[in-house]
Amino acid sequence: GAGVSQSPSNKVTEKGKDVELRCDPISGHTALYWYRQSLGQGLEFLIYFQGNSAPDKSGLPSDRFSAERTGGSVSTLTIQRTQQEDSAVYLCASSLTSFKEDTQYFGPGTRLTVL
Amino acid sequence: GENVEQHPSTLSVQEGDSAVIKCTYSDSASNYFPWYKQELGKRPQLIIDIRSNVGEKKDQRIAVTLNKTAKHFSLHITETQPEDSAVYFCAASPREVDNDMRFGAGTRLTVKP
Repeated sequence: GAGVSQSPSNKVTEKGKDVELRCDPISGHTALYWYRQSLGQGLEFLIYFQGNSAPDKSGLPSDRFSAERTGGSVSTLTIQRTQQEDSAVYLCASSLTSFKEDTQYFGPGTRLTVL
Repeated sequence: GENVEQHPSTLSVQEGDSAVIKCTYSDSASNYFPWYKQELGKRPQLIIDIRSNVGEKKDQRIAVTLNKTAKHFSLHITETQPEDSAVYFCAASPREVDNDMRFGAGTRLTVKP
């Protein structure tokens, strides 16, 4: 079936604007993860959803970041009042269950550029 | 929380040689260690993983070793090929269910033909 999809693939915005990033996980996958990858850097864990709930929000870098997931499927990551340091590729991944041994399948990412 | 360090940051080898990437972790409760390969401009993909009750795991040219006492694990690629060129990420996860996997900073591997 279809893999994890994300939209938009690229987003250029002005400093101070809000942006919303979308992730469509693989159908039937209950766990969903958001990561951030700055240029040439590793993957920074942001948040994880089991169903619609996020047990751990401590990875979100600031209160300008929020995420939600409705219907146990699509998730949106919202960044308010964007800053230049928010520029990065935002990756979404999903896995069948929340057990860590389950392979996480990554989406293609959204490249966010804040001018 | 968990802290994962990865070395080296860049690695260049000749085709046919072996490549070794090492990671250390800080949380002794971590017991799941996957490795991801990310080709230029593409998404990370799982290539191999190991659990803490296993010391070594092999899949064709790729092997991973784990030393729980020293809290380090390594990726070994033998008979490297140009298509192995990519960025490799290690990760560690300390919890059974709530999955806050922490990644290393990545190693850029270049295999010269």
